[in-house]
Amino acid sequence: DQQVKQNSPSLSVQEGRISILNCDYTNSMFDYFLWYKKYPAEGPTFLISISSIKDKNEDGRFTVFLNKSAKHLSLHIVPSQPGDSAVYFCAASGWARQLTFGSGTQLTVLP
Amino acid sequence: GAGVSQSPSNKVTEKGKDVELRCDPISGHTALYWYRQRLGQGLEFLIYFQGNSAPDKSGLPSDRFSAERTGESVSTLTIQRTQQEDSAVYLCASSLEGAGARSTDTQYFGPGTRLTVL
Repeated sequence: DQQVKQNSPSLSVQEGRISILNCDYTNSMFDYFLWYKKYPAEGPTFLISISSIKDKNEDGRFTVFLNKSAKHLSLHIVPSQPGDSAVYFCAASGWARQLTFGSGTQLTVLP
Repeated sequence: GAGVSQSPSNKVTEKGKDVELRCDPISGHTALYWYRQRLGQGLEFLIYFQGNSAPDKSGLPSDRFSAERTGESVSTLTIQRTQQEDSAVYLCASSLEGAGARSTDTQYFGPGTRLTVL
């Protein structure tokens, strides 16, 4: 039973354009959501988070949107850069501190 | 050190052997987590330590898996009688776990230990 789903295993985007990565969740008890980026042979690196009391959080080129009624969140990267090429994981947590992760989306930014 | 460190980076073992994986969290971080990532899958929670509280072992897949933590420092994950399905990258994370603010719960991950069971 996957509580956090990333339905697109891969995404290719041209440099300078917007990248949109999507994530859906099923557990209504989740109240904190995060995006992590992972390069090969490295651990995931925290990117941006959002609390369920907000619907948007922005940090530089990265913006996370949360639609609680649809149980959907998305990560927007604009403009996309070749260095953004990595696997992006969506994660969620509720009262329990451990994170529940999606299966990841491989983003490739083409120069 | 500046970040979470794990050792070894790679471990190849034979089915049935025991293995021990080590994690050194960020100094001052009271919370420590173990996850594993099987090929092509997301990270799967295994166990969580918070200060001197009893660990949350709800993610351990079988009684062959156990973990210990000495105070608020090093942790070891032990897998007994390894099976081929235990092959995965085992990731450790730590967080500050300050009182209340979720922002302090941000988990910082180590590079992982790639375990291959032949």
